[in-house]
Amino acid sequence: GNSVTQMEGPVTLSEEAFLTINCTYTATGYPSLFWYVQYPGEGLQLLLKATKADDKGSNKGFEATYRKETTSFHLEKGSVQVSDSAVYFCALSPTGNQFYFGTGTSLTVIP
Amino acid sequence: EAGVAQSPRYKIIEKRQSVAFWCNPISGHATLYWYQQILGQGPKLLIQFQNNGVVDDSQLPKDRFSAERLKGVDSTLKIQPAKLEDSAVYLCASSQTGAGDQPQHFGDGTRLSIL
Repeated sequence: GNSVTQMEGPVTLSEEAFLTINCTYTATGYPSLFWYVQYPGEGLQLLLKATKADDKGSNKGFEATYRKETTSFHLEKGSVQVSDSAVYFCALSPTGNQFYFGTGTSLTVIP
Repeated sequence: EAGVAQSPRYKIIEKRQSVAFWCNPISGHATLYWYQQILGQGPKLLIQFQNNGVVDDSQLPKDRFSAERLKGVDSTLKIQPAKLEDSAVYLCASSQTGAGDQPQHFGDGTRLSIL
């Protein structure tokens, strides 16, 4: 079947620290992979995506590389800011049209 | 471009009452999704429309939940009668064609509280 496993939170970091949020997946075929971010009281916003193996998605200083050999799509940022505090969701979309979301990882960045 | 619009933002009802949510997707988007997001969890797909036809409603509790997208644009999701476990945020999303490599664009959601 299709599923996404994210590292459990909450994660608390100091400003300018390095961020990694782990995401691994199980899927049939060759899925597309996504990271979404959800700020308090808002819907999910697309952060970045990768559609094939070895692709790197990037946006707003965040990066994630589609690793087929380890079935992973870890989210990284070199220097987090207070404004990055949010819940981050990893998601996959198999060759089809349904999305499967992880349970989310809450990030709090303190000044 | 205007994003996905949802209303109301908040709704409080008593159990066994009925409630309806409305969604207007991004203009031109053929695919529309309704998700249920329980606190502390990721969104769970309830139903997916392609234009005005249902593509997937396998996780929709059909004894109490219904949804329609009559003209292939706006959609409504209804719960009747509501149960305590229906307390959640209901998210609407749309995508251009529903292809697997296309992102979904989400509205801000409706937060439903059942008393």
